Amino acid sequence: AQSVTQPDIHITVSEGASLELRCNYSYGATPYLFWYVQSPGQGLQLLLKYFSGDTLVQGIKGFEAEFKRSQSSFNLRKPSVHWSDAAEYFCAVGPPGSSNTGKLIFGQGTTLQVKP
Amino acid sequence: DGGITQSPKYLFRKEGQNVTLSCEQNLNHDAMYWYRQDPGQGLRLIYYSQIVNDFQKGDIAEGYSVSREKKESFPLTVTSAQKNPTAFYLCASSPKWNTEAFFGQGTRLTVV
Repeated sequence: AQSVTQPDIHITVSEGASLELRCNYSYGATPYLFWYVQSPGQGLQLLLKYFSGDTLVQGIKGFEAEFKRSQSSFNLRKPSVHWSDAAEYFCAVGPPGSSNTGKLIFGQGTTLQVKP
Repeated sequence: DGGITQSPKYLFRKEGQNVTLSCEQNLNHDAMYWYRQDPGQGLRLIYYSQIVNDFQKGDIAEGYSVSREKKESFPLTVTSAQKNPTAFYLCASSPKWNTEAFFGQGTRLTVV
């Protein structure tokens, strides 16, 4: 079955510390990969995406993610966390190729808390 | 500004009543989606539509209905058959040949 797992439900880091959010997926082929961020009561904002090519992807707000095919992982990283990064983060996968248009499977989300 | 507009932001309904959530986009996107979000469960796909007058069931379509009469609009009706309708509902859209989805701000539905 196709699925996305975010092993960490809650993560707390100190401001200025580095961050890594984990994401593992189960899929028949290499899917399209996404990270979204959600502030309380708001919609989702795309942080970054991987379709093909370079496995290290740069996104907005200083985030990056690395696709590792052998581990079926797409972990999100940030070298120095800011208080404004506190939010919920979702990893999602979508079917590769151009025959579909955004039918996504989401992980359960990781809530990030930032300590001053 | 281009974007996706969901209305209303908050909606309260009595049990047994049907309710319709609005989703409008001016991004000229072909595909539109409805997701349901519950705490600790991520987002789950309810319905999606790739072209006007056509739509497909997602993973949790039971108790919901949609229509796609215009490219810009994809309303979701939560019917009385939906056993647990209280949730946060998110609408999204994407261009035809790109799986990057853009999301609206959501509607929080509370059924009492």
